[in-house]
Amino acid sequence: DAKTTQPPSMDCAEGRAANLPCNHSTISGNEYVYWYRQIHSQGPQYIIHGLKNNETNEMASLIITEDRKSSTLILPHATLRDTAVYYCIVSDTGTASKLTFGTGTRLQVTL
Amino acid sequence: DAGVIQSPRHEVTEMGQEVTLRCKPISGHNSLFWYRQTMMRGLELLIYFNNNVPIDDSGMPEDRFSAKMPNASFSTLKIQPSEPRDSAVYFCASSFQTGGTDTQYFGPGTRLTVL
Repeated sequence: DAKTTQPPSMDCAEGRAANLPCNHSTISGNEYVYWYRQIHSQGPQYIIHGLKNNETNEMASLIITEDRKSSTLILPHATLRDTAVYYCIVSDTGTASKLTFGTGTRLQVTL
Repeated sequence: DAGVIQSPRHEVTEMGQEVTLRCKPISGHNSLFWYRQTMMRGLELLIYFNNNVPIDDSGMPEDRFSAKMPNASFSTLKIQPSEPRDSAVYFCASSFQTGGTDTQYFGPGTRLTVL
């Protein structure tokens, strides 16, 4: 069963904020929300992760709802280089994080 | 830091041949992961190691696949004999897992084509 649901594709104009939603209604208390992206022909790249508080780093911001059933990844000023498939993943960290990649959201940034 | 290094970057072989993919994780990382990506199945975890010990190989498709990690700086994924359906991009990733969260860093991948 898929743990996350994401829209298959989104468009964003360059310079505008890209807001990528993710639903994870069955998330459990010890599961983190991770975001990775994969630019064409490259390996996936870590973006950000969080448990219940909002998080921000140099790449993006992660907003998690209070009930933790959904989250939004925000790229504040999208550029053409941000065109990629974005994966939202929930993972319980035990011995190591097992990341289960779904189909993700294909973000196309346009001029 | 050079990041995760994989070799070869491209491999073309014929059905029935043995294929060995290689991975050098980031120095200091204690977990290593092998993934496979195809159009049909997406990105799948095959196996992961922690402190050089295989922890979960439930994603390995069948006995033709085997993985080893003889030391902290080297891992191999072997397919013997190879079949056309093994054609995919194989990624290696590493992380430093401390019992909390960890971030996986992926290599550039090996594109395998089995004719």
